[in-house]
Amino acid sequence: DAGVTQSPTHLIKTRGQQVTLRCSPKSGHDTVSWYQQALGQGPQFIFQYYEEEERQRGNFPDRFSGHQFPNYSSELNVNALLLGDSALYLCASSHDRLFYNEQFFGPGTRLTVL
Amino acid sequence: RKEVEQDPGPFNVPEGATVAFNCTYSNSASQSFFWYRQDCRKEPKLLMSVYSSGNEDGRFTAQLNRASQYISLLIRDSKLSDSATYLCVVTYNAGNMLTFGGGTRLMVKP
Repeated sequence: DAGVTQSPTHLIKTRGQQVTLRCSPKSGHDTVSWYQQALGQGPQFIFQYYEEEERQRGNFPDRFSGHQFPNYSSELNVNALLLGDSALYLCASSHDRLFYNEQFFGPGTRLTVL
Repeated sequence: RKEVEQDPGPFNVPEGATVAFNCTYSNSASQSFFWYRQDCRKEPKLLMSVYSSGNEDGRFTAQLNRASQYISLLIRDSKLSDSATYLCVVTYNAGNMLTFGGGTRLMVKP
């Protein structure tokens, strides 16, 4: 049973460019959340997708957008990259239900903005 | 003030030691509490949930004090493999958005 997968593993971009990161959830999961983890800090919630819609959003600017596809996979897009966007981007998947269920994290995409 | 605060450490302890981590959270509406473990350059993984009555999983004991908005993790008989960053996590709804502390780094030495 494959866990959460993310691509690419590493990415180097320059300021002002745009980037797309991809995530495939764990089998049986229908909800995908994205987190940004800067060096030496805990992950910060960007947004969550369920039924192809953004259900909840953290304190991130509109430069950060996403999408969920019918097969539950998801993309995170970041426009007009800034140096401060350099971080590990983590995708987490879960199965939506009333009470808390564990979110499983993928290995992350390490983005460096030069 | 951060919503979830932890002492960043590092905590340097010898093998076999007992070590305790603390975490405070600011939102009294918080519903669920967890400890995650993150190895260097890896993804976070759930270590254990934290319940009001306190709970234990082998060498790990977690406790929650809702009145003080305080969470703790105790590790007994530390192993070299316990070296990692421990993240305190809080949720405010049905578990959709995880709010992480900054993490506490533990280094267990031989």
